[in-house]
Amino acid sequence: DAKTTQPPSMDCAEGRAANLPCNHSTISGNEYVYWYRQIHSQGPQYIIHGLKNNETNEMASLIITEDRKSSTLILPHATLRDTAVYYCIVRVVHSGGSNYKLTFGKGTLLTVNP
Amino acid sequence: GAVVSQHPSRVICKSGTSVKIECRSLDFQATTMFWYRQFPKKSLMLMATSNEGSKATYEQGVEKDKFLINHASLTLSTLTVTSAHPEDSSFYICSGLGLVGTDTQYFGPGTRLTVL
Repeated sequence: DAKTTQPPSMDCAEGRAANLPCNHSTISGNEYVYWYRQIHSQGPQYIIHGLKNNETNEMASLIITEDRKSSTLILPHATLRDTAVYYCIVRVVHSGGSNYKLTFGKGTLLTVNP
Repeated sequence: GAVVSQHPSRVICKSGTSVKIECRSLDFQATTMFWYRQFPKKSLMLMATSNEGSKATYEQGVEKDKFLINHASLTLSTLTVTSAHPEDSSFYICSGLGLVGTDTQYFGPGTRLTVL
């Protein structure tokens, strides 16, 4: 799977939009971009994923550049409960259970400040 | 999203004993489940992949005889840490993958294992 690069930490003011970048310059055409987050001492929580098009759900928006070499996760109105480590993961689209495994990097620690 | 539970959430045991951790998919059938381990201030590391009704596939460096995985049904997988030692103390997290057409892994809340 392609490797991703994320800033180690970011800060955001409560109520403002949080924009978390991710570089995945070696991504292949058959690889998804997934975002998870992990609040301290909990299991990771799925946020959103995309292949080519921008995606939006009730939690966040995912903007993928046209060349697919980078993406941005947007939390439109950050709250204190959004403080967590955010992981950007690239995963190949294949059949078979073992090909669905996720490789976690170090992620970005987002701290939302009051 | 789909819900995965783990039991127990926290366990303390003596060195040399075995500990079993359960992972259940509550509102979906998980054909594949994954077990991860996370040490303090580190990222998640995949230990093994299990498919319902078949043997688990272990990642390099993970001892299959020490970390026994059973995936007997579409909603339950268990991880047994045998002859636990203090270095096995960690945060163990499972995830479930739905049936064909569902590409997303959903994670459990994790189990904190402390071996004295």
